[in-house]
This record gives sequence, C-alpha cells and structure tokens, in this order.
Amino acid sequence: GAVVSQHPSRVICKSGTSVKIECRSLDFQATTMFWYRQFPKQSLMLMATSNEGSKATYEQGVEKDKFLINHASLTLSTLTVTSAHPEDSSFYICSAWGLAGSETQYFGPGTRLLVL
Amino acid sequence: GESVGLHLPTLSVQEGDNSIINCAYSNSASDYFIWYKQESGKGPQFIIDIRSNMDKRQGQRVTVLLNKTVKHLSLQIAATQPGDSAVYFCAETVNTGNQFYFGTGTSLTVIP
Repeated sequence: GAVVSQHPSRVICKSGTSVKIECRSLDFQATTMFWYRQFPKQSLMLMATSNEGSKATYEQGVEKDKFLINHASLTLSTLTVTSAHPEDSSFYICSAWGLAGSETQYFGPGTRLLVL
Repeated sequence: GESVGLHLPTLSVQEGDNSIINCAYSNSASDYFIWYKQESGKGPQFIIDIRSNMDKRQGQRVTVLLNKTVKHLSLQIAATQPGDSAVYFCAETVNTGNQFYFGTGTSLTVIP
C-alpha cells in the first residue's frame, strides 16, 4: 500500500522556538494532504487541509499564523509550529489520499512534539 | 469541525472471543467510512473501509457494518488476539479526496 513518512519522529524544543515537521508521500503523488493533532487518550483532531500549490484550508479554531503549512510539491507538505509553547506539545500526524490501486487515506507515523 | 476530543471509552475481551466496537458518526452526508487501528505512539493503520452504498463488508477476521438510518458503524473482530489490543477509530468523509473526521475512539484490551 501507499506509504506516508514523517520527519522528525520526535522533537523536543524550548518555548518560543519554531519547529518544522515534514510529511512525504513515498510512492505516490498527493495533491492534498491533511494535518491532525492528537492529545493523549483523545481522538485525532483535523487541523488543516494542505493543497499543493495553493493556500492551506484551516479548521475553525486553528491559528493559521501559528501553524504554517506549505505544500510545495506533490510529495511534500510541511507544518511549522511557530513560537511553540508547552500547550503545543502534542502528537502531530499527517495523511494523504493515495492513488495506488485503491483510493483511500494513508497516515504517517506521527511526530511527537514536546515544548519545554 | 466534526471531530470529537473526548477521553477514550474502553473495552476488554478475552483472547479468542469476538469483539464489537461501535461508532456513531455525525454527518448524514458522509459516504465513505474507514476503521483505523492505532497503537501507542504510532499513526493510524487502515483496517477496513466501506462506502455508503453498502451495509456490510468483510475482511480477514474483521467485518464492518453500516447503518445509515441511525448513523452507526460497527467493527467486529473475530477470535480476538493480544495483538489486536489498540485504540480503534472510525472516520467519515463526504466524497473521496476530502478530509476525514474521526470519532472518539475505543481502547481495546485483549486479556490472554
């Protein structure tokens, strides 16, 4: 099946710094990718839809200036958490629709962010 | 959004028994549904999907049932094994290619 990767898998940073998370589709092209955030023992919350070559679409309540999304190519979307604070500590997961045979949504392995 | 961020309900079953995990979805216009399995610290893993023109779909040891009248999905796991212990989420979307919204999730524990 289609594979989605994320980098880094985990990151620890100081409060006030910015962190960039990459999401790549490894064996297929993805015009649309999605970013989710998951707090411990909770469900996945959709943050935004990343569109190749255009602006991301953010869910209500998600600050677009804080969570910058760039989808520069058909295989890469990046999420930058700007001026991170401890409350931004979470598990960030990306996904993409794949066209490899059966069209369904594939998820990356997630990135654990800890802001000190 | 339609995602729900509540604390996870739990289900414990004996190894070898069948498990049934339920999910109530929110949007009557949703036409594609997926069940995902998530192990601790990992991303969701696709288990089985179903489209709204079907009410049942079977995979290997898993069956998904869809009741559009009451907006309800269930995942049945036959002969549950310790490796099935994980959190299970249903996700819904309207039209292929759009964003998914996730249900609350259920934490399944298999007792050896």
